[in-house]
Amino acid sequence: EAGVTQSPTHLIKTRGQQATLRCSPISGHTSVYWYQQALGLGLQFLLWYDEGEERNRGNFPPRFSGRQFPNYSSELNVNALELEDSALYLCASSRDRRYEQYFGPGTRLTVT
Amino acid sequence: DAKTTQPPSMDCAEGRAANLPCNHSTISGNEYVYWYRQIHSQGPQYIIHGLKNNETNEMASLIITEDRKSSTLILPHATLRDTAVYYCIAGDSNYQLIWGAGTKLIIKP
Repeated sequence: EAGVTQSPTHLIKTRGQQATLRCSPISGHTSVYWYQQALGLGLQFLLWYDEGEERNRGNFPPRFSGRQFPNYSSELNVNALELEDSALYLCASSRDRRYEQYFGPGTRLTVT
Repeated sequence: DAKTTQPPSMDCAEGRAANLPCNHSTISGNEYVYWYRQIHSQGPQYIIHGLKNNETNEMASLIITEDRKSSTLILPHATLRDTAVYYCIAGDSNYQLIWGAGTKLIIKP
């Protein structure tokens, strides 16, 4: 069974640009979660999608947004990039909000 | 959601059991205890979770105290590949889990 996949592995952008990160969940999982992990810190919850709908978001500004597609894959968009957006962005999927999460390898976003 | 407290770091000799403690004194009755680990710069890996009873799987055992205010993750025969940051998290919904700094476990040969 294929795990959670994320693309791209690395992304380098300049301040003010937009970044798009992609995630494919494990087959059969309908919930997708996005996290931000700054260097040396714990995971910060960003967004939760389930059945195509945004169900909850963490304490991040509106320039962090995303969507979930009918096949349950998901995109995270970050507009007007700032230097402090540089981090590892992790996607996870689960069968529903109570079950264990399975994480992808992450996308390393660097903003210069 | 309950917050958890873990020691920032621990050492363990290869081949010995690694016992990682976690305090969650404010946990509520419907909140699970989850354990994940993260090997350097990779995505976290699910290990085990439990509500009230002790749990065991192929990776580890989870011992939860009767009052549910603390738990211990046990890796029965630690190997060098078990070196990672271990996160203990409590919550009833994945989107509400608060990820702390975890315990950096170093397995020494």
